[in-house]
Formats: sequence, structure tokens, C-alpha cells
Amino acid sequence: NAGVTQTPKFRILKIGQSMTLQCAQDMNHNYMYWYRQDPGMGLKLIYYSVGAGITDKGEVPNGYNVSRSTTEDFPLRLELAAPSQTSVYFCATSGFQETQYFGPGTRLLVL
Amino acid sequence: AQSVTQPDIHITVSEGASLELRCNYSYGATPYLFWYVQSPGQGLQLLLKYFSGDTLVQGIKGFEAEFKRSQSSFNLRKPSVHWSDAAEYFCAVGARTGNQFYFGTGTSLTVIP
Repeated sequence: NAGVTQTPKFRILKIGQSMTLQCAQDMNHNYMYWYRQDPGMGLKLIYYSVGAGITDKGEVPNGYNVSRSTTEDFPLRLELAAPSQTSVYFCATSGFQETQYFGPGTRLLVL
Repeated sequence: AQSVTQPDIHITVSEGASLELRCNYSYGATPYLFWYVQSPGQGLQLLLKYFSGDTLVQGIKGFEAEFKRSQSSFNLRKPSVHWSDAAEYFCAVGARTGNQFYFGTGTSLTVIP
């Protein structure tokens, strides 16, 4: 089993460009999450999903969108990239009230 | 509001010495508690977790943590640190009434020979 996979591993965007960060899991977990990690700030929850077709905002959702059409996939969309979105993005999954499992991360640089 | 505090931004210990990383949380009830480790350029790996029962929990790599309800703490300990333990450590709490998780800002551990 691959667990949680994220693509791409690294990306450079110009201000105003858009992109989609991909997250896929083969653990059959209902719950999926997107976090961003900035130096010295820990992880901040962007969006989460409790199942296919259901998403909800986390702590820092502005500038991002998500969709959850299948149990396996939970893409994160940046529509108009801004320098403040330079960060490392982690996708995670879990069962109900269980341990979260993290992907390897996507490093995004917006110039 | 829920929050997690890791008071130590950075800790340096000698190899073979004991280690304690502090974690305090603010939550209206007893949360689920976790410790994760992150090596450079990697994702987060679960070290241990507390859901209920024995307040001293054992984890991987020789780590343990003790839940102290009266102090709202969940400190991570290891009796003898190895050079490979150098990493970033995150404490997290999970809500029992939902599925949101809150992370501390992390403690960076350096191990010197």
C-alpha cells in the first residue's frame, strides 16, 4: 500500500498563476485534511473532508479551494497564487477520531 | 478555544542523555493526544498517542509520554537519546467530538556527540 501520496513534490509559481496540489490515499479513510506548514508556526489546517462530497473550512482557508469527489482523492486548488502561499503543504488522512497519516508534502514557492 | 503550546522552540542534548519535550494544551474536555516526529524534508510520523486508559503511553523508537490531566500536559520523554533522534517534534490534540486536530509549533531537537 502506498498510504498517502502527494504530487508534485516541489513547484514554483508566479504570482497570479493557479495550480492544483494532488493528494491520494489507499487506506480507505473517510477523513482527509490539508495543512500548510510555515517555519516556526506548526501546522495550520486549511480544509478537511469527512467523506466524498463533504468538505469544510479549517483555520486558514482563504485563497484555497477543495473538492472531494471520491474517497481516495482530495485535491487542493490555488486560484491566484500569492507570495503568502509559499509554504509546505501536507495532506493527511484518518479514520473517525483516529490517528492521522501524513503524505510527504509539497513544497510551493510563489515568486 | 483549543490550543497546543510547546514552550521549547529548540533543545540541544548530548547523545545518551535523557530527553523531555514539553507540551501543554488548552481544551474543554479530555482530548486525544499525539506526538509526531518530522525529519528534514519528510512528512510527519506518529510516535505515540493517548486515547484513554493508562496515562503513560509507550511509542516507537523508545519514546514514552505521560498524560497529566491536572497539568493539561502531555510531555514526551526518552531515557537515552540517539543521534538519529535529531528532528522536529510536534504535539497535537484531537477533538473527541469531531475530527479536527490542533498542532503545536514544534520543538527542534539537536543531538550532539
